[in-house]
Amino acid sequence: QSALTQPRSVSGSPGQSVTISCTGTSDDVGGFNSVSWYQQHPGRAPKVVIYDVIKRPSGVPDRFSGSKSGNTASLTISGLQAEDEADYYCSSFAGDYTPLFGGGTKVTVL
Amino acid sequence: EVQLVQSGAEVKKPGESLKISCKASGYSFPINWIGWVRQMPGKGLEWMGSIYPGDSDTTYSPSFQGQVTISADKSTATAYLQWKSLKPSDSAIYYCARPEYRGGPPHYWGQGALVTVSS
Repeated sequence: QSALTQPRSVSGSPGQSVTISCTGTSDDVGGFNSVSWYQQHPGRAPKVVIYDVIKRPSGVPDRFSGSKSGNTASLTISGLQAEDEADYYCSSFAGDYTPLFGGGTKVTVL
Repeated sequence: EVQLVQSGAEVKKPGESLKISCKASGYSFPINWIGWVRQMPGKGLEWMGSIYPGDSDTTYSPSFQGQVTISADKSTATAYLQWKSLKPSDSAIYYCARPEYRGGPPHYWGQGALVTVSS
C-alpha cells in the first residue's frame, strides 16, 4: 500500500480559498467514503477537521469543507484566516487493518 | 467525551527498552480498535499498528512488524507501545489514535509522546 499523494504546499491570502488534493486509488480513496483530513499546528497533535469525506466535527468552522471525485479527495478552506496556517494530512480507509496517510501539505497564509 | 492521555516525554540511550502508555476514557475501551502513529522530526504521519483490546488481536504495518510491540490492559483501559532495544532512528513523536472502526482513519488522538534516543 502506497501513501496517498498530496501537494507539498499551497498558499493563499487572507479571505481567499485554497484547495488541497489527496490522490489515491480505487482500493482506498476511490473505493470508500472514508477519508479524513487533519490540521496540525507546530508542536500540536493532529486535529480532525473533516471525516467521512464531507462531515465536519462540531467546533470546526464551516469554512472547512471536503469532497471527493473518483480517486481524489479534496479539502477546501474558504475565507482563509491566519490561524489556518498549518500542516494538513489526509487519511483513507484501505479495506483492511491499516489506514493510509498522505504526505502532508503545508498551508501558508500570505 | 473520548480522551486519550499519553505518558510523558522520554530520553533513552541506544539499546535500552521503553514502554509508553495511552490511557483511554469516555468510551468502551474493549470493543474499539486503538493504534499508534509515528511522526519523525519534520516528517509526516505513519500508521504503526493497532490492537483490539477485547481479544488482544494485534496488527502491524509491515515497516513496524518485529520492531515494536503493541499491547493493551482492559482493566485499566490503557494501550501500550513497547521497544526492546531502542535505536537513534526511533526518535520521534508517537501518538495513540482511535479510529471509529477497524482500519478507519484515526478520529481521536492522544497528545503525543516525544521519544528521544541518543547516546
